[in-house]
Amino acid sequence: GAGVSQSPRYKVAKRGQDVALRCDPISGHVSLFWYQQALGQGPEFLTYFQNEAQLDKSGLPSDRFFAERPEGSVSTLKIQRTQQEDSAVYLCASSLGGRTDTQYFGPGTRLTVL
Amino acid sequence: EDQVTQSPEALRLQEGESSSLNCSYTVSGLRGLFWYRQDPGKGPEFLFTLYSAGEEKEKERLKATLTKKESFLHITAPKPEDSATYLCAVQGGYSGGGADGLTFGKGTHLIIQP
Repeated sequence: GAGVSQSPRYKVAKRGQDVALRCDPISGHVSLFWYQQALGQGPEFLTYFQNEAQLDKSGLPSDRFFAERPEGSVSTLKIQRTQQEDSAVYLCASSLGGRTDTQYFGPGTRLTVL
Repeated sequence: EDQVTQSPEALRLQEGESSSLNCSYTVSGLRGLFWYRQDPGKGPEFLFTLYSAGEEKEKERLKATLTKKESFLHITAPKPEDSATYLCAVQGGYSGGGADGLTFGKGTHLIIQP
């Protein structure tokens, strides 16, 4: 079956621009997670949704980062006024049930801020 | 705060040369320990979930084991296609105040030479 998909796969932004990254989870998956992965590092948790409710946003690095999942399926991670330190791969994962279920990852969006 | 340390950072083996990767963890109320494989330019691919000390799981040439402080990923007679970065992650319980997402290590970069 179809896995988690993300778009765009690559995004180049000039410093100060706003960007929006999209995640389509596996159909029927209740939970959705966003992670940030810097080069040579493991993924770091950003935020967690259960259906349309954002239950945890403790990992968002600043108020420039905003995520939504209005209908409980597709999610968008928005970064306002991008900075060079935002350059990373942004990974989306989904799980069938709650936060402790196995998470399945998408291919990621590589963001480069010039 | 949950912590995961993986060793070695990088490992180069000859085809057929068995070895083990280590994942040491500190977590409040372990809800699950996860192993993922990540190929360059791709998202993490799920391998195993372990829930309690003494548990073991196998898949082809890989075997994961768990103790109260660490997990090992044993690779038996590896092939070049096993070359990848192997990530270990933990999911903690709420008692420790951890975030809802996984806490990852930095990974072990494994190269299998023909």
